[in-house]
Amino acid sequence: KAGVTQTPRYLIKTRGQQVTLSCSPISGHRSVSWYQQTPGQGLQFLFEYFSETQRNKGNFPGRFSGRQFSNSRSEMNVSTLELGDSALYLCASKRTGDDGYGYTFGSGTRLTVV
Amino acid sequence: EDQVTQSPEALRLQEGESSSLNCSYTVSGLRGLFWYRQDPGKGPEFLFTLYSAGEEKEKERLKATLTKKESFLHITAPKPEDSATYLCAVQANSGTYKYIFGTGTRLKVLA
Repeated sequence: KAGVTQTPRYLIKTRGQQVTLSCSPISGHRSVSWYQQTPGQGLQFLFEYFSETQRNKGNFPGRFSGRQFSNSRSEMNVSTLELGDSALYLCASKRTGDDGYGYTFGSGTRLTVV
Repeated sequence: EDQVTQSPEALRLQEGESSSLNCSYTVSGLRGLFWYRQDPGKGPEFLFTLYSAGEEKEKERLKATLTKKESFLHITAPKPEDSATYLCAVQANSGTYKYIFGTGTRLKVLA
Protein backbone atom coordinates (compact mmCIF):
# COMPACT_ATOMS: atom_id res chain seq x y z
CA LYS A 1 0.00 0.00 0.00
CA ALA A 2 1.58 3.27 -1.13
CA GLY A 3 2.02 5.94 1.52
CA VAL A 4 1.58 9.68 1.29
CA THR A 5 3.84 11.03 -1.44
CA GLN A 6 5.19 14.56 -1.39
CA THR A 7 7.15 16.20 -4.18
CA PRO A 8 9.67 17.61 -4.40
CA ARG A 9 11.66 16.44 -1.37
CA TYR A 10 13.95 19.44 -1.38
CA LEU A 11 13.58 22.92 -2.80
CA ILE A 12 15.70 26.06 -2.74
CA LYS A 13 14.02 29.32 -3.67
CA THR A 14 14.92 32.97 -3.63
CA ARG A 15 13.11 35.52 -1.49
CA GLY A 16 10.17 36.98 -3.39
CA GLN A 17 9.59 33.93 -5.57
CA GLN A 18 6.63 31.62 -5.30
CA VAL A 19 6.56 27.87 -4.84
CA THR A 20 4.08 25.00 -5.31
CA LEU A 21 4.30 21.79 -3.32
CA SER A 22 2.44 18.62 -4.20
CA CYS A 23 0.90 15.85 -2.13
CA SER A 24 -0.65 12.54 -3.19
CA PRO A 25 -2.61 10.98 -0.31
CA ILE A 26 -3.15 7.31 0.37
CA SER A 27 -5.72 5.82 -1.97
CA GLY A 28 -9.19 6.23 -0.49
CA HIS A 29 -8.20 9.06 1.82
CA ARG A 30 -10.23 12.18 1.16
CA SER A 31 -8.91 14.44 3.89
CA VAL A 32 -5.56 16.15 3.33
CA SER A 33 -3.92 18.50 5.80
CA TRP A 34 -0.77 20.57 5.51
CA TYR A 35 1.61 21.48 8.31
CA GLN A 36 4.69 23.65 8.59
CA GLN A 37 7.41 22.34 10.88
CA THR A 38 10.25 24.49 12.19
CA PRO A 39 12.65 23.82 15.07
CA GLY A 40 11.32 26.71 17.13
CA GLN A 41 7.56 26.40 16.50
CA GLY A 42 7.03 22.70 16.03
CA LEU A 43 4.16 21.56 13.81
CA GLN A 44 1.89 24.41 12.82
CA PHE A 45 -1.41 23.70 11.06
CA LEU A 46 -1.84 25.37 7.66
CA PHE A 47 -5.09 24.05 6.24
CA GLU A 48 -7.23 20.99 5.69
CA TYR A 49 -9.08 19.95 2.56
CA PHE A 50 -11.86 17.44 2.25
CA SER A 51 -13.56 16.58 -1.04
CA GLU A 52 -12.00 19.59 -2.79
CA THR A 53 -13.22 22.05 -0.12
CA GLN A 54 -11.08 23.84 2.41
CA ARG A 55 -12.60 22.79 5.70
CA ASN A 56 -10.20 24.42 8.10
CA LYS A 57 -7.46 27.01 8.05
CA GLY A 58 -4.65 27.88 10.44
CA ASN A 59 -3.27 31.27 11.34
CA PHE A 60 -1.03 31.88 8.35
CA PRO A 61 -1.00 34.90 6.02
CA GLY A 62 -2.83 34.87 2.73
CA ARG A 63 0.44 34.17 0.92
CA PHE A 64 -0.18 30.54 1.86
CA SER A 65 -2.89 28.87 -0.16
CA GLY A 66 -3.88 25.42 -1.23
CA ARG A 67 -6.29 23.37 -3.22
CA GLN A 68 -7.47 19.82 -3.61
CA PHE A 69 -8.35 18.05 -6.83
CA SER A 70 -11.11 15.56 -7.53
CA ASN A 71 -8.65 12.67 -7.11
CA SER A 72 -7.83 13.99 -3.60
CA ARG A 73 -4.33 15.09 -4.60
CA SER A 74 -3.47 18.42 -3.07
CA GLU A 75 -1.14 21.33 -3.73
CA MET A 76 -0.07 24.20 -1.56
CA ASN A 77 1.32 27.45 -2.85
CA VAL A 78 3.39 30.07 -1.12
CA SER A 79 3.75 33.40 -2.89
CA THR A 80 6.28 36.16 -2.26
CA LEU A 81 8.56 33.90 -0.26
CA GLU A 82 10.22 35.23 2.87
CA LEU A 83 13.29 33.89 4.66
CA GLY A 84 11.04 32.81 7.55
CA ASP A 85 9.15 30.45 5.25
CA SER A 86 12.11 28.08 5.32
CA ALA A 87 10.73 24.92 6.91
CA LEU A 88 9.71 21.32 6.44
CA TYR A 89 6.23 21.23 4.91
CA LEU A 90 4.32 18.09 5.76
CA CYS A 91 1.22 16.69 4.16
CA ALA A 92 -0.99 14.22 6.01
CA SER A 93 -4.01 12.25 4.91
CA LYS A 94 -6.84 10.25 6.44
CA ARG A 95 -10.15 8.88 5.27
CA THR A 96 -12.52 11.60 6.44
CA GLY A 97 -10.77 13.98 8.84
CA ASP A 98 -13.43 13.91 11.53
CA ASP A 99 -13.22 10.26 12.46
CA GLY A 100 -10.82 10.66 15.37
CA TYR A 101 -8.17 8.49 13.73
CA GLY A 102 -4.51 9.40 13.34
CA TYR A 103 -3.08 10.94 10.22
CA THR A 104 -0.59 9.31 7.88
CA PHE A 105 2.16 11.76 7.08
CA GLY A 106 4.39 12.06 4.07
CA SER A 107 8.13 12.60 4.40
CA GLY A 108 7.76 16.29 3.70
CA THR A 109 9.24 18.91 1.41
CA ARG A 110 12.23 20.76 2.82
CA LEU A 111 11.97 24.36 1.57
CA THR A 112 14.94 26.68 1.93
CA VAL A 113 14.47 30.36 1.08
CA VAL A 114 17.69 32.30 0.41
CA GLU B 1 -7.46 28.54 23.97
CA ASP B 2 -6.66 24.93 23.07
CA GLN B 3 -3.10 24.07 23.97
CA VAL B 4 -0.69 21.13 24.18
CA THR B 5 2.52 21.14 26.24
CA GLN B 6 5.07 18.35 26.22
CA SER B 7 7.80 17.69 28.75
CA PRO B 8 10.65 17.23 28.98
CA GLU B 9 11.96 18.86 25.79
CA ALA B 10 14.78 16.35 25.63
CA LEU B 11 15.58 13.13 27.45
CA ARG B 12 18.66 10.93 27.47
CA LEU B 13 18.31 7.39 28.76
CA GLN B 14 20.61 4.45 29.06
CA GLU B 15 19.46 1.31 27.27
CA GLY B 16 17.04 -0.49 29.57
CA GLU B 17 16.32 2.59 31.70
CA SER B 18 12.52 3.03 31.71
CA SER B 19 10.93 6.50 31.78
CA SER B 20 7.81 8.49 30.88
CA LEU B 21 7.08 11.40 28.59
CA ASN B 22 4.32 13.85 29.49
CA CYS B 23 1.70 15.60 27.36
CA SER B 24 -0.52 18.14 29.12
CA TYR B 25 -3.48 19.51 27.23
CA THR B 26 -6.21 22.09 27.46
CA VAL B 27 -9.02 21.58 25.01
CA SER B 28 -12.70 22.39 24.83
CA GLY B 29 -13.90 18.81 24.63
CA LEU B 30 -11.45 16.10 23.63
CA ARG B 31 -12.20 14.13 20.48
CA GLY B 32 -8.92 12.26 20.58
CA LEU B 33 -5.31 12.42 21.76
CA PHE B 34 -2.63 11.12 19.44
CA TRP B 35 0.97 10.05 19.86
CA TYR B 36 3.40 10.10 16.96
CA ARG B 37 7.05 9.19 16.55
CA GLN B 38 9.24 11.25 14.22
CA ASP B 39 12.67 10.23 12.99
CA PRO B 40 15.06 12.83 11.56
CA GLY B 41 14.22 13.80 7.98
CA LYS B 42 10.91 11.94 8.03
CA GLY B 43 7.28 12.72 8.67
CA PRO B 44 5.62 11.73 11.95
CA GLU B 45 4.54 8.10 12.26
CA PHE B 46 1.25 7.41 14.00
CA LEU B 47 1.51 5.35 17.21
CA PHE B 48 -1.70 5.57 19.28
CA THR B 49 -5.06 7.25 19.65
CA LEU B 50 -6.67 7.65 23.08
CA TYR B 51 -10.25 8.80 23.35
CA SER B 52 -11.25 8.92 27.01
CA ALA B 53 -9.73 9.19 30.47
CA GLY B 54 -8.55 5.86 31.82
CA GLU B 55 -7.82 4.42 28.40
CA GLU B 56 -4.48 2.70 27.77
CA LYS B 57 -2.80 1.47 24.59
CA GLU B 58 0.37 -0.61 24.22
CA LYS B 59 2.78 -1.34 21.40
CA GLU B 60 6.01 -3.21 22.04
CA ARG B 61 7.94 -1.18 24.65
CA LEU B 62 5.51 1.76 24.53
CA LYS B 63 2.40 2.29 26.62
CA ALA B 64 0.20 5.38 26.41
CA THR B 65 -2.23 6.43 29.14
CA LEU B 66 -4.76 9.24 29.37
CA THR B 67 -6.30 11.33 32.15
CA LYS B 68 -8.59 14.34 31.86
CA LYS B 69 -5.65 16.74 31.73
CA GLU B 70 -2.63 14.80 30.49
CA SER B 71 -1.26 11.77 28.76
CA PHE B 72 1.87 9.78 29.45
CA LEU B 73 3.96 7.74 27.07
CA HIS B 74 5.77 5.13 29.13
CA ILE B 75 8.85 3.56 27.60
CA THR B 76 9.88 0.28 29.19
CA ALA B 77 13.45 -1.00 28.81
CA PRO B 78 14.16 1.26 25.82
CA LYS B 79 16.59 0.35 23.06
CA PRO B 80 18.73 2.69 20.91
CA GLU B 81 16.25 2.25 18.05
CA ASP B 82 13.61 3.97 20.19
CA SER B 83 15.56 7.21 19.80
CA ALA B 84 13.30 9.71 18.06
CA THR B 85 11.14 12.75 18.70
CA TYR B 86 7.76 11.84 20.21
CA LEU B 87 4.91 14.18 19.39
CA CYS B 88 1.55 14.50 21.08
CA ALA B 89 -1.51 16.04 19.41
CA VAL B 90 -5.12 16.63 20.40
CA GLN B 91 -8.22 16.98 18.30
CA ALA B 92 -11.01 19.04 19.83
CA ASN B 93 -14.70 18.35 19.64
CA SER B 94 -15.31 21.91 18.54
CA GLY B 95 -16.35 20.97 15.04
CA THR B 96 -13.27 22.31 13.29
CA TYR B 97 -11.40 18.97 13.48
CA LYS B 98 -8.09 20.80 13.84
CA TYR B 99 -5.19 18.91 15.35
CA ILE B 100 -2.99 20.81 17.78
CA PHE B 101 0.52 19.45 18.18
CA GLY B 102 2.94 19.82 21.05
CA THR B 103 6.56 20.66 20.28
CA GLY B 104 7.70 17.15 21.11
CA THR B 105 10.18 15.33 23.33
CA ARG B 106 13.53 14.41 21.77
CA LEU B 107 14.49 11.02 23.15
CA LYS B 108 18.02 9.65 22.92
CA VAL B 109 18.68 6.10 24.14
CA LEU B 110 22.33 5.28 24.66
CA ALA B 111 23.72 1.77 24.19
